[in-house]
Amino acid sequence: GESVGLHLPTLSVQEGDNSIINCAYSNSASDYFIWYKQESGKGPQFIIDIRSNMDKRQGQRVTVLLNKTVKHLSLQIAATQPGDSAVYFCAETGDNAGNMLTFGGGTRLMVKP
Amino acid sequence: DGGITQSPKYLFRKEGQNVTLSCEQNLNHDAMYWYRQDPGQGLRLIYYSQIVNDFQKGDIAEGYSVSREKKESFPLTVTSAQKNPTAFYLCASSPLGVTNEKLFFGSGTQLSVL
Repeated sequence: GESVGLHLPTLSVQEGDNSIINCAYSNSASDYFIWYKQESGKGPQFIIDIRSNMDKRQGQRVTVLLNKTVKHLSLQIAATQPGDSAVYFCAETGDNAGNMLTFGGGTRLMVKP
Repeated sequence: DGGITQSPKYLFRKEGQNVTLSCEQNLNHDAMYWYRQDPGQGLRLIYYSQIVNDFQKGDIAEGYSVSREKKESFPLTVTSAQKNPTAFYLCASSPLGVTNEKLFFGSGTQLSVL
């Protein structure tokens, strides 16, 4: 079936370095993608989104890249800070009934001081 | 948490007991959702509602029930038929009645079995 997944379950980076979190998706009909950040014991928080008619979108310290050819999504965090430590989820809206978001399994980002 | 309040934060269920998780939003959003999150896992959709007095099953609705009597409220009942209820439950809402793009999440309820 269609799915959204992540390559790396855990990513450890040094404070100040850039982080790249990857996500693969299998539904070529997906037209909307979103990244969430979830801190321990809390609900996910929206970070950034992108539509399939774009290949790059930038926010504050974050950039999302979309490669539709290989069905790959990435989240780049510049100058990673300890407060960035969390689990990051990608999600996609495909062609399923109700246009529901499908979530990946998550990547844990650990920032070393 | 963006105007979505879940309560309680922690809940314990005895064998054979039904428990209800509360979710209230003051964002005037049309759509509301319930997700289940198991440790190290992604979010799985239990139920969703796009308008008052209407709701639809998600991917894992068995053992759960919901109601949507008011726009602001979408309580989830975990029934005794749900044999493995221990999980982190997340409620969400979105301003669009058709899709659930850019969901706004509550802070979650951790349900455990005694």
